[in-house]
Amino acid sequence: QKEVEQNSGPLSVPEGAIASLNCTYSDRVSQSFFWYRQYSGKSPELIMSIYSNGDKEDGRFTAQLNKASQYVSLLIRDSQPSDSATYLCAVNQIYNFNKFYFGSGTKLNVKP
Amino acid sequence: DVKVTQSSRYLVKRTGEKVFLECVQDMDHENMFWYRQDPGLGLRLIYFSYDVKMKEKGDIPEGYSVSREKKERFSLILESASTNQTSMYLCASSSTSGRFGDTQYFGPGTRLTVL
Repeated sequence: QKEVEQNSGPLSVPEGAIASLNCTYSDRVSQSFFWYRQYSGKSPELIMSIYSNGDKEDGRFTAQLNKASQYVSLLIRDSQPSDSATYLCAVNQIYNFNKFYFGSGTKLNVKP
Repeated sequence: DVKVTQSSRYLVKRTGEKVFLECVQDMDHENMFWYRQDPGLGLRLIYFSYDVKMKEKGDIPEGYSVSREKKERFSLILESASTNQTSMYLCASSSTSGRFGDTQYFGPGTRLTVL
């Protein structure tokens, strides 16, 4: 079983819609959770981090964490074509040298 | 502004050559990481370092070694490059601060082709 699982997609949404990206993780002790965006040929860039159960909003992005279900999601409101990228979910094991475990990523296509 | 730099964006080497990839961060981070990223396989951790002269194997260390002589610099070495090491190599760094650890910041990546 992989540490972090994501649906590879592609997920296609029309411009202006809400895109919902999901991620599950296997280690119940994990405490920190991150979403990165990666454009083709570029390196990952951080979008959001979340540490507590519930929702965390930053502009058009909302991260949701449910530790009981070991589930993290990212909602992108008013999706734009510039949001088209691969989104990586990452889980931090702070007790293990701060190692990150990354999902394989979900490719999002926002159609104009 | 956080900054992680890598020595080359693109590199072409021949089979059997010794290859050095360098990473420098200016954020005084304790932790540094080397990943490779391949289509369909995601990011895989090769080696990481949590302090100067300290190193730990990641998930795929075979065929690689690392060096960290200074806090800001972490080098990845391919002792004898092989075609299956053709990949995108990404360096990242993070601090050991706060109760929940800290974000990893990535360099721009080095696309290595081994012929």
